[in-house]
Amino acid sequence: GAVVSQHPSWVICKSGTSVKIECRSLDFQATTMFWYRQFPKQSLMLMATSNEGSKATYEQGVEKDKFLINHASLTLSTLTVTSAHPEDSSFYICSASYWTSGQETQYFGPGTRLLVL
Amino acid sequence: AQKITQTQPGMFVQEKEAVTLDCTYDTSDPSYGLFWYKQPSSGEMIFLIYQGSYDQQNATEGRYSLNFQKARKSANLVISASQLGDSAMYFCAMREGPHNQGGKLIFGQGTELSVKP
Repeated sequence: GAVVSQHPSWVICKSGTSVKIECRSLDFQATTMFWYRQFPKQSLMLMATSNEGSKATYEQGVEKDKFLINHASLTLSTLTVTSAHPEDSSFYICSASYWTSGQETQYFGPGTRLLVL
Repeated sequence: AQKITQTQPGMFVQEKEAVTLDCTYDTSDPSYGLFWYKQPSSGEMIFLIYQGSYDQQNATEGRYSLNFQKARKSANLVISASQLGDSAMYFCAMREGPHNQGGKLIFGQGTELSVKP
């Protein structure tokens, strides 16, 4: 159990286009999902917390109009990078909250590598 | 100030030997949780082990054990009988607040482990 998928795994796009990344919890319901960004050889940086049915909570310094997050169901959250530019090229990875025996563990998707040309 | 510190950027271990990856943390919250994740070169984040601040015993999960020293605020990961497949980045993470509330994780800088044949 506790499997999280992410789609697409790779995306290459031209500067100025928008890119949508999907994060799905496959075998459990997740009221909360998280979106992270990771640069090569660095740690994960939390971008935002996505709650089902409500607005996402963004971390300081993350542009909410640039990174649109929608958590429309208990198994799906989407991150849309709007008007992508080369500096948005990065590894984006989501996680979903999995609860068992009153304890929460975050399980991660396989990540999406974005390259903006 | 860093809330999670991993002081070893890189570590080498001989196959079949044990290795300890260091993690220290800083929090004034009496309730918190500590996590270890493994990130192979493919990028996925694999949950390894969890330790709650009120847990009386050190957590163990197969070849992984967590050496939790609360007074020293350390939560070192011990991998016994290292295997070639253990070569990866390892991240320590902390979640502050009551265990039944969940919440965002704060990650350390990571330690790159290389297992030698």
